[in-house]
Amino acid sequence: GENVEQHPSTLSVQEGDSAVIKCTYSDSASNYFPWYKQELGKRPQLIIDIRSNVGEKKDQRIAVTLNKTAKHFSLHITETQPEDSAVYFCAASGFLGNEKLTFGTGTRLTIIP
Amino acid sequence: GAGVSQSPSNKVTEKGKDVELRCDPISGHTALYWYRQSLGQGLEFLIYFQGNSAPDKSGLPSDRFSAERTGGSVSTLTIQRTQQEDSAVYLCASREPVNSPLHFGNGTRLTVT
Repeated sequence: GENVEQHPSTLSVQEGDSAVIKCTYSDSASNYFPWYKQELGKRPQLIIDIRSNVGEKKDQRIAVTLNKTAKHFSLHITETQPEDSAVYFCAASGFLGNEKLTFGTGTRLTIIP
Repeated sequence: GAGVSQSPSNKVTEKGKDVELRCDPISGHTALYWYRQSLGQGLEFLIYFQGNSAPDKSGLPSDRFSAERTGGSVSTLTIQRTQQEDSAVYLCASREPVNSPLHFGNGTRLTVT
């Protein structure tokens, strides 16, 4: 089955700086890679996703890059703000989208004002 | 529209008792997932239902755990003879049948005393 590894487990950055979180996956058949943000005491919510037919996707201050050859994908947050503080999870699932979504172990991001 | 609904939101039970957790997915979503999240931890996959196919039960931690999905909609996760280590937030999520993000419910916080 799929195995997703996520690094780092904790990350602290100064407000205004950039944050990068990296994930690797094991199943070359995986074709869908979402990122979720979970604020304290709340449910995970999708912030951005990418499918294997593209190498990069951007939405305002958030971007995701995908390297299928190396089987890794990354989340980039630029111009970080205090409200970006949360736990971020990456995930991967199979081509049909009907497969189990396997999550990484999460990264606790803290933005230092 | 209505999101994924879970009940109860909180459940406190005595060790050894059985509990039932309910999930009402978004209408039309054929895929339904249960995850468990212990305090400060990641998302542990439990079980996955897709349409009329046999569920993927590979994440259930023991035979005390079971789940069913009636009529392709509402799902119930049952934990028999609860143990203290079962204490966690149980999250349900649903998605459409093609590559698409999971929509999480607010979870049920289970405390076994």
